[in-house]
Amino acid sequence: GAVVSQHPSRVICKSGTSVKIECRSLDFQATTMFWYRQFPKQSLMLMATSNEGSKATYEQGVEKDKFLINHASLTLSTLTVTSAHPEDSSFYICGASGGTDTQYFGPGTRLTVL
Amino acid sequence: AQTVTQSQPEMSVQEAETVTLSCTYDTSENNYYLFWYKQPPSRQMILVIRQEAYKQQNATENRFSVNFQKAAKSFSLKISDSQLGDTAMYFCAFMKLRGATDKLIFGTGTRLQVFP
Repeated sequence: GAVVSQHPSRVICKSGTSVKIECRSLDFQATTMFWYRQFPKQSLMLMATSNEGSKATYEQGVEKDKFLINHASLTLSTLTVTSAHPEDSSFYICGASGGTDTQYFGPGTRLTVL
Repeated sequence: AQTVTQSQPEMSVQEAETVTLSCTYDTSENNYYLFWYKQPPSRQMILVIRQEAYKQQNATENRFSVNFQKAAKSFSLKISDSQLGDTAMYFCAFMKLRGATDKLIFGTGTRLQVFP
């Protein structure tokens, strides 16, 4: 299957700082990438969808100025959590698809905001 | 709008036995995809199996098979010869037949515990 990497796997930051999470498709070109948030023991909640070279489409209730998404190439998308606060602490997962009708996922990033 | 329902929050099975996880969905679409993903304790989402709605034949991947009932909008996952490594959260997901750009609609998940 296709491989998607995510970096960092864990990050701890102080309140008010910004954090960038990278998502890379390693062996395929990802025309579309998805960013999810997952709370403990819950399902994945889609935050936004991005197509390479285009602006991201955010789900209702997701602040686009707080969660900045850049999909600059067919293998890289980044999620920046700006001015992070403790309530932003969560597990963030990226998904990627391209050319097939299947989405593949990165291993996730655990964000802890102190 | 599409919805996916997994009515079993938790299931358990003894090693080497067979277990079936249930999933129902609601849609007005005629063509679509259905998926089962597995999320073990590592939290890496792993594709288990995929079914195209226009295919009548049920998908099979080694010990994993589905029972796809399109009219009933049911998509259950059968795991045969359960192994300890099958312990995970299992998510059923729906996607419209629009290709790679459309989003997945997930169910709430079923936590499966395989015990020795």
